[in-house]
Amino acid sequence: NAGVTQTPKFQVLKTGQSMTLQCAQDMNHNSMYWYRQDPGMGLRLIYYSASEGTTDKGEVPNGYNVSRLNKREFSLRLESAAPSQTSVYFCASIRSLMNTEAFFGQGTRLTVV
Amino acid sequence: AQTVTQSQPEMSVQEAETVTLSCTYDTSESDYYLFWYKQPPSRQMILVIRQEAYKQQNATENRFSVNFQKAAKSFSLKISDSQLGDAAMYFCAYRSALTQGGSEKLVFGKGTKLTVNP
Repeated sequence: NAGVTQTPKFQVLKTGQSMTLQCAQDMNHNSMYWYRQDPGMGLRLIYYSASEGTTDKGEVPNGYNVSRLNKREFSLRLESAAPSQTSVYFCASIRSLMNTEAFFGQGTRLTVV
Repeated sequence: AQTVTQSQPEMSVQEAETVTLSCTYDTSESDYYLFWYKQPPSRQMILVIRQEAYKQQNATENRFSVNFQKAAKSFSLKISDSQLGDAAMYFCAYRSALTQGGSEKLVFGKGTKLTVNP
């Protein structure tokens, strides 16, 4: 059971480049989330998705887009990367309708130069 | 919107001693869940303990326990008999209870860095 898988684990981008962070879970979870983690700021919610085809903005959505094409996968896209988007990104999922905790991917360390 | 506040950016404790990490939250909801997560240097997010808002009894998991004060919107974590392996970032998190057709927002505090001194 792989849980939540994020790719890539590390990435360096130049300002203005685009990329997509991939996230997949094999636990049949309904809700999925993308967070960014910066020193002293904790985990801030970028976008989340309660089910396939639905997405909602979190606290810091500007500069990001997401896609929930199916139940398993929830991708995060940076269309034009900026140095302010240098961060560690986490994907998470929750089963919903049950008191279960969120399961997290291993994180992606993104550097924009 | 729900918010979670951890007022202690850093804490330290001597090995074998007890330490309490503070967390307060703001919500207008009556039904929700609260969590403490641990993040060691490996970046992995590890669940430490959870609490359902409708339960009056405080949750306990071995050396970890919480003091849940619903009226005060407070959810502190007590670590007893601290061990070197407890050194990590600790995050308090709030999750709405799902209503049919709604979304579950999961909100975190800024974290407390715990150092355990030998």
